[in-house]
Amino acid sequence: DAGVIQSPRHEVTEMGQEVTLRCKPISGHNSLFWYRQTMMRGLELLIYFNNNVPIDDSGMPEDRFSAKMPNASFSTLKIQPSEPRDSAVYFCASSPGGSTGNTIYFGEGSWLTVV
Amino acid sequence: EDQVTQSPEALRLQEGESSSLNCSYTVSGLRGLFWYRQDPGKGPEFLFTLYSAGEEKEKERLKATLTKKESFLHITAPKPEDSATYLCAVQAAGGTSYGKLTFGQGTILTVHP
Repeated sequence: DAGVIQSPRHEVTEMGQEVTLRCKPISGHNSLFWYRQTMMRGLELLIYFNNNVPIDDSGMPEDRFSAKMPNASFSTLKIQPSEPRDSAVYFCASSPGGSTGNTIYFGEGSWLTVV
Repeated sequence: EDQVTQSPEALRLQEGESSSLNCSYTVSGLRGLFWYRQDPGKGPEFLFTLYSAGEEKEKERLKATLTKKESFLHITAPKPEDSATYLCAVQAAGGTSYGKLTFGQGTILTVHP
């Protein structure tokens, strides 16, 4: 079975540009998570969706960040405008949710560098 | 606020030298405690979930245990391929935090041949 699929794997962009990260969760999973990983702060939850509905976005750092989940098989995380401090690895993860299990499975990450 | 603290930050072992990694946590009602392994340039890979104090789970050279305040990941006779960062995370029961994981900073394990 395919795992969580993220794109792009690597992105280098200039400050001020818009960045869009994409995620395809594991088929049949009801919950989707966006995490950010940095050396200083480790893994931090940005936002999570349950059945395509945002449940908790308290981790989204500021209005420059937005996330959408238009359907059960696709989500985006957008940063506009990007800043150098946004440089990090962004992970998408999904979970079956409900009574079928709460283990969260991660993608390989999108490595973002803002110069 | 849920908190997870892992120790040590880094651990160097000789091949075959058994040891343990610690994960201390505070959470408002534990739904599950998770252990992940992360290799450089990769996403976290799921290892174990523990749900209640006294529970133990094993996988090859790894055994995870859980008490009401902490979890241990015991590594028996490690091999160089066990070198990775090991992450501990808690999942709270109920409320708006339902479902999400709060991670510790991880323990970087290096096993020398």
